[in-house]
Amino acid sequence: QQQVKQSPQSLIVQKGGISIINCAYENTAFDYFPWYQQFPGKGPALLIAIRPDVSEKKEGRFTISFNKSAKQFSLHIMDSQPGDSATYFCAASSASSGDKLTFGTGTRLAVRP
Amino acid sequence: ETGVTQSPTHLIKTRGQQVTLRCSSQSGHNTVSWYQQALGQGPQFIFQYYREEENGRGNFPPRFSGLQFPNYSSELNVNALELDDSALYLCASSNNIKETQYFGPGTRLLVL
Repeated sequence: QQQVKQSPQSLIVQKGGISIINCAYENTAFDYFPWYQQFPGKGPALLIAIRPDVSEKKEGRFTISFNKSAKQFSLHIMDSQPGDSATYFCAASSASSGDKLTFGTGTRLAVRP
Repeated sequence: ETGVTQSPTHLIKTRGQQVTLRCSSQSGHNTVSWYQQALGQGPQFIFQYYREEENGRGNFPPRFSGLQFPNYSSELNVNALELDDSALYLCASSNNIKETQYFGPGTRLLVL
């Protein structure tokens, strides 16, 4: 059972554009929602994370929007750059499950110059 | 401060063999989690160790086992390897259970 659904599977954006990746979850016990960035041959690196007590968090060009009632959250990358080309994973965890991360299936982002 | 390191980087085994993967946690981190990432998929949680005790396990058979040492480094052991075990194995460490997990570069295992 996939508990975190991620879309789109792949995304092509022009340099300077906005990249938007969406995730939906089922488990209402989830209380921590991180986004990871992964380059080929590397492990995932934490990009930004949010907890459900806020609806939005911004760090530089990266913003998480969180909708608790809809059980959805999204990553917005403003002014996308070719260096942002990577695979992005949303994830979720809950304190009751020992904070094990449940990942989405990933979005491969390509930013064209 | 050093990050999470894993060894080896690559490994080739044949079906039925056993393998041991190693992880050194980030300095000061006492919790280690292991994940399996099949090609084109998101990481799947295998198990977590907190202060040398197993603290949660995902949907993996008993032939996947682990260990955490007093210095908080960890091992993942897989017995009776199957072709489907071919994947990138990721280790993540955190400073206590509820804190952010930081991933190592992974060990890519190929089972022939």
